[in-house]
Amino acid sequence: GAGVSQSPSNKVTEKGKDVELRCDPISGHTALYWYRQSLGQGLEFLIYFQGNSAPDKSGLPSDRFSAERTGGSVSTLTIQRTQQEDSAVYLCASSFGGNIYEQYFGPGTRLTVT
Amino acid sequence: ELKVEQNPLFLSMQEGKNYTIYCNYSTTSDRLYWYRQDPGKSLESLFVLLSNGAVKQEGRLMASLDTKARLSTLHITAAVHDLSATYFCAVDMRGNTGTASKLTFGTGTRLQVTL
Repeated sequence: GAGVSQSPSNKVTEKGKDVELRCDPISGHTALYWYRQSLGQGLEFLIYFQGNSAPDKSGLPSDRFSAERTGGSVSTLTIQRTQQEDSAVYLCASSFGGNIYEQYFGPGTRLTVT
Repeated sequence: ELKVEQNPLFLSMQEGKNYTIYCNYSTTSDRLYWYRQDPGKSLESLFVLLSNGAVKQEGRLMASLDTKARLSTLHITAAVHDLSATYFCAVDMRGNTGTASKLTFGTGTRLQVTL
């Protein structure tokens, strides 16, 4: 079946511009997660959604970062006024719930801020 | 704050040899995951370990969990070149409360298997 999809796969933007990253989770998965992976920081949690609610936003690095999820499905991560330190691969994952919360990862969006 | 440490960070091994990657974590948890990442690719789930003493095997890889020692191991038996990748362990702090939660990842172990 279809896995987690993300778009765009690559994004190059100028410092100061806003960007939107999109994630389509696996159908039926109620939980959705955003992580980012960078050379200096490794894999870091950003935010997670249960349905359309975000019980844990503790990983968002600044108020320039926001995310929403609609219809319990698609999520967008928005970064305003991008900075060079935002350059990273942004990974989305989803999980079904139940008693096993294995997270399935999408291919990621590579963001480069010039 | 939960800390997850892996060692070694880099491992070069010959085909046919055995080795173990270690994952230590700082806070009580009984849910641990192992992922594989190939260069330029996303994370592929390898194992889900859900209780103390859990052991799972797939091919040449075997993972185990000791929650009392806060330690998981990923053992590689008779390595082959195709196993070259970066391996991450990840800990779920939620435990058995019944809700989803974030993963805290280790630093990763880059495995290079040489002929």
